[in-house]
Amino acid sequence: QLQLRGSGPGLVEPSETLSLTCTVSGDSITTQSYHWGWIRQSPGKGLEWIGSVSYSGNTYYRPSLKSRLIISVDTSKNQFSLKLNSVTAADTAVFYCARHSGGYIYGYFDYWDQGTLVTVSS
Amino acid sequence: QSLLTQPPSVSGVPGQRVTISCTGSSSNIGAHLDVHWYQQLPGTAPKLLIYGNINRPSGVPDRFSVSKSATSASLTITDLQAEDEAVYYCQSYDRSLGGSVIFGGGTRLTVL
Repeated sequence: QLQLRGSGPGLVEPSETLSLTCTVSGDSITTQSYHWGWIRQSPGKGLEWIGSVSYSGNTYYRPSLKSRLIISVDTSKNQFSLKLNSVTAADTAVFYCARHSGGYIYGYFDYWDQGTLVTVSS
Repeated sequence: QSLLTQPPSVSGVPGQRVTISCTGSSSNIGAHLDVHWYQQLPGTAPKLLIYGNINRPSGVPDRFSVSKSATSASLTITDLQAEDEAVYYCQSYDRSLGGSVIFGGGTRLTVL
């Protein structure tokens, strides 16, 4: 059974870099049919796609976040990661990592982790 | 403002049928891009409910069904049950502004 587990600091200071890692178990992250994505949910708000990465490192970013965002994959550790720099309070959210299925990035998110709450505050 | 518009809330009584709409445009649903649906129970991660416009993952009851028209899609829940109370999101892809995965704003379903 595929499982994803996100991890990272729960508190980040304004203007710093938010870094999260998602560890995949139960399958290889190099399976070619899939991408791996990050989605966030601000408190009391809806879902917002941040970006996705293929096993080979091809990245697809939300246009409004592209200038602050790096998503990468580490196949040796079966992990993918998110770095969002210059954060503000508006970046406070629960961050989910998920498997992005269905071919290319037109597809759907079929496995999710439990979510990691990240608060941006000094 | 989301590129996929959903009603903020709907409600129904047990046994009733409810429908949640998801209205897009020519750059997403109208561009023949798939629509997917999620259910988010309070305090939990979203769960995939429908993918590829019409498909239900294993374990999702057939009380959940979808329809799609030119630039919109709808999720219908029949025989409404108390455990269906959740927030429902539609998702697609939008080709404008460089392309992006997009979610609807979410619809809170209350079972009265």
